[in-house]
Amino acid sequence: QPQLQESGPGLVKPSETLSLTCSVSGGSMSSSSYSWAWIRQSPGRGLEWIGAIYNTGRAYYSPSLKSRVTISGDTSNNIFSLSLSSVSAADSAAYYCVRTELGVTFGDYWGQGILVTVSS
Amino acid sequence: DIVMTQTPLSSPVTLGQPASISCRSSQSLVHSDGNTYLSWLHQRPGQPPRLLIYKISNRFSGVPDRFSGSGAGTDFTLKITRVEAEDVGVYYCMQAKQFPYTFGQGTKLEIK
Repeated sequence: QPQLQESGPGLVKPSETLSLTCSVSGGSMSSSSYSWAWIRQSPGRGLEWIGAIYNTGRAYYSPSLKSRVTISGDTSNNIFSLSLSSVSAADSAAYYCVRTELGVTFGDYWGQGILVTVSS
Repeated sequence: DIVMTQTPLSSPVTLGQPASISCRSSQSLVHSDGNTYLSWLHQRPGQPPRLLIYKISNRFSGVPDRFSGSGAGTDFTLKITRVEAEDVGVYYCMQAKQFPYTFGQGTKLEIK
């Protein structure tokens, strides 16, 4: 059973870059059967899909965040990362990394989440 | 973006009684591959969402059979035949037909 675990700072200053990493165990990120996504959740915005990366390295982003987001992957180490630039208080949220089984379902496995607060 | 609308937003139920949540999408969720990527998630306080139902009506591994999903096109329903205490929390529908994937607002299930 795959496990996903987010890591990174819980506090980021406004205008700086939020960087998070998701470590995947119990499954290979190099498999073409899966994609890997970032989701965030806040009281004001609910659940929000940020973007996803495939084993080819190609990433897709939410149009509302596209100008500030980069998702990258390291299949040799089974980790993928989120970078969100120029953050503001509106980016304060719980961030989750999530697996999708292609052709089957989004979100069969989720990380526990990491709470990120944007504040000076 | 596809807008997902759930009703009701809050559902007080009696233990052992049925519950039902509706979800409507702003456009058809039928993918070009013929599948309909509509899922239901359940979230307990302090926990990440977990997958209950995928492709309208398929229960994910370990999900009790008191949960069932139905629907087609733009209208979908999650039913619980007999609510148990562990079923409290927030239920979300979500679509994975096209980017950006989108979620409903959530329906809070609570015990009367």
